[in-house]
Amino acid sequence: GAGVSQSPSNKVTEKGKDVELRCDPISGHTALYWYRQSLGQGLEFLIYFQGNSAPDKSGLPSDRFSAERTGGSVSTLTIQRTQQEDSAVYLCASSLARDPDTQYFGPGTRLTVL
Amino acid sequence: AQSVTQPDIHITVSEGASLELRCNYSYGATPYLFWYVQSPGQGLQLLLKYFSGDTLVQGIKGFEAEFKRSQSSFNLRKPSVHWSDAAEYFCAVGARGNTGKLIFGQGTTLQVKP
Repeated sequence: GAGVSQSPSNKVTEKGKDVELRCDPISGHTALYWYRQSLGQGLEFLIYFQGNSAPDKSGLPSDRFSAERTGGSVSTLTIQRTQQEDSAVYLCASSLARDPDTQYFGPGTRLTVL
Repeated sequence: AQSVTQPDIHITVSEGASLELRCNYSYGATPYLFWYVQSPGQGLQLLLKYFSGDTLVQGIKGFEAEFKRSQSSFNLRKPSVHWSDAAEYFCAVGARGNTGKLIFGQGTTLQVKP
């Protein structure tokens, strides 16, 4: 079946611009996660959605980062006023509610902030 | 706080040789443990996971890992490496109790010599 998909695969933007990154989870997966993978920082958890519960935003690095999940499916990660240190690969993952720790990852969006 | 350490940043082995990638974790109880592989330009693929039970777990692509509570380790092994195994490998820990968050190690890059 289809895996987690993310778009765009690559995004180049100028410092100060806003960007939106999209994630389509595996059908039927109620949990969705965003991670960031950057040089020197490795893989960092950003945010976690589980069903209709309030998201766990504890990993968001600043208030310039936000995410929403519409209809319990697609999620959008928004970065406002991008900075060069936001350059990274943003990975999305999803999982079944009954097995939340087994996460399936998308290919990622590579964000470059000039 | 949970943490994961992969002591080897980079490992080179000859094709056909055996492989062991080290992973040590810090966690107050028995965590969920994972190994993921990431090929260049690809997302993370789950190789295997340990939740409970038999401490030797088998995964895909001929990989296995052994959970050793006394050493807080979850090392990944493969008896005979193939050139296609060249990739980056990540060990991760997840908290029991449905928090959803995975904590990743810094990764080990595996190079395979012909």
